[in-house]
Amino acid sequence: DIQMTQSPSPLSASVGDRVTITCQASQDIGNSLNWYQQKPGKAPKLLIYDAYNLEPGVPSRFSGSRSGTDFSFTITGLQPEDVATYYCQHYDSLPLFTFGPGTKVDIK
Amino acid sequence: EVQLVQSGAEVKKPGESLKISCKVSGYDFATFWIGWVRQTPGKGLEWMGNIYPGDSETRYNPSFQGQVTMSFDKFITTAYLQWRRLEASDTAIYYCARLPRLGRKMDHWGQGTQVTVSS
Repeated sequence: DIQMTQSPSPLSASVGDRVTITCQASQDIGNSLNWYQQKPGKAPKLLIYDAYNLEPGVPSRFSGSRSGTDFSFTITGLQPEDVATYYCQHYDSLPLFTFGPGTKVDIK
Repeated sequence: EVQLVQSGAEVKKPGESLKISCKVSGYDFATFWIGWVRQTPGKGLEWMGNIYPGDSETRYNPSFQGQVTMSFDKFITTAYLQWRRLEASDTAIYYCARLPRLGRKMDHWGQGTQVTVSS
């Protein structure tokens, strides 16, 4: 089974900061990784799919990248409304979806 | 506008049965998968399975196979998740989500249904 680890957790930053969350896969998964945002009491929301692609309607301050089995999610210019838990999600061809443990982001 | 609206919170006793629903609108029900995701404080988000109303294909997470049943009613564009015998460990929030035919992302979500199983 492929395992997903996320770091850091939690994460505290100031408004306007550049924030990066990392998700590491236990083996090569290509670009098969999505990122979701979940605000307290709400359902998850898709932000990035296939490692790099911004879901339509999502602000451009959110971005994703990949280096081997390491995936990064970046918020360029943290806003107060970005306080949430962020999850990576791997998918394979079964299909089987595996979520990371989440990274809670709050404002200093 | 794409919408997935789930049924309300449930409180059940161990051994009881339950069926929760996910009513969709704003798109062609038959051409997207519906997935179900469980969320608990201890295990986080877990994918349970997907169902494709276009041809009734189902894919279960092996961890949930035999524990729950996914179904749908095309005429009222509603998907269902069902338990025959609930256990306390089924206490969780359950989300439905839409997935495109290739099934690689969950692009719209329901608001969640809280299920509490307690004697």
